[in-house]
Amino acid sequence: DTGVSQNPRHKITKRGQNVTFRCDPISEHNRLYWYRQTLGQGPEFLTYFQNEAQLEKSRLLSDRFSAERPKGSFSTLEIQRTEQGDSAMYLCASSLGQGALGELFFGEGSRLTVL
Amino acid sequence: GDSVTQMEGPVTLSEEAFLTINCTYTATGYPSLFWYVQYPGEGLQLLLKATKADDKGSNKGFEATYRKETTSFHLEKGSVQVSDSAVYFCALSDPRNDMRFGAGTRLTVKP
Repeated sequence: DTGVSQNPRHKITKRGQNVTFRCDPISEHNRLYWYRQTLGQGPEFLTYFQNEAQLEKSRLLSDRFSAERPKGSFSTLEIQRTEQGDSAMYLCASSLGQGALGELFFGEGSRLTVL
Repeated sequence: GDSVTQMEGPVTLSEEAFLTINCTYTATGYPSLFWYVQYPGEGLQLLLKATKADDKGSNKGFEATYRKETTSFHLEKGSVQVSDSAVYFCALSDPRNDMRFGAGTRLTVKP
């Protein structure tokens, strides 16, 4: 399967712990996006990369959140000092090209539960 | 900022019924508009898109027309099937290339 891959699929952690999610995009895609989705809501934009450059960050991305894409391939999203409000599905998507024609290819998500 | 508002669900229909899911948008520029679908246990996937006013996107029997005058992009299907049961998300792509999603509408089709 050469789609977008995310892991772990589910993470349960205690409040205050750090967690890291990994996303492997479709190999030729230069854009990579992170979204957060809570129950009954649509995905909320967090940040995106073009190659290794992080071009946009949402106000939702507090200083406890950091994302990297060091070699322009896979990406990691780290959440430090997790809070119960961080419980959500974290979605990664990738796309090819510059423009807003925007077919995003999504992974199945990483579900975070903070106890 | 740019946003989309879509019809609240859930929507329950009988097989072969006509489907409409309303979506309206607010944008300062000229966004591209999309419908994504999420089947149970799967990731979101693109259903159809339209990149300019009066364009009609279509796929798998679903259609949506980009209406600038009413700022709408309603999703329609003439005859739904049980396999269409899913959550449908309206979305727009703004000039900064962020994709903004609506809250989603859950459709259940009963045999």
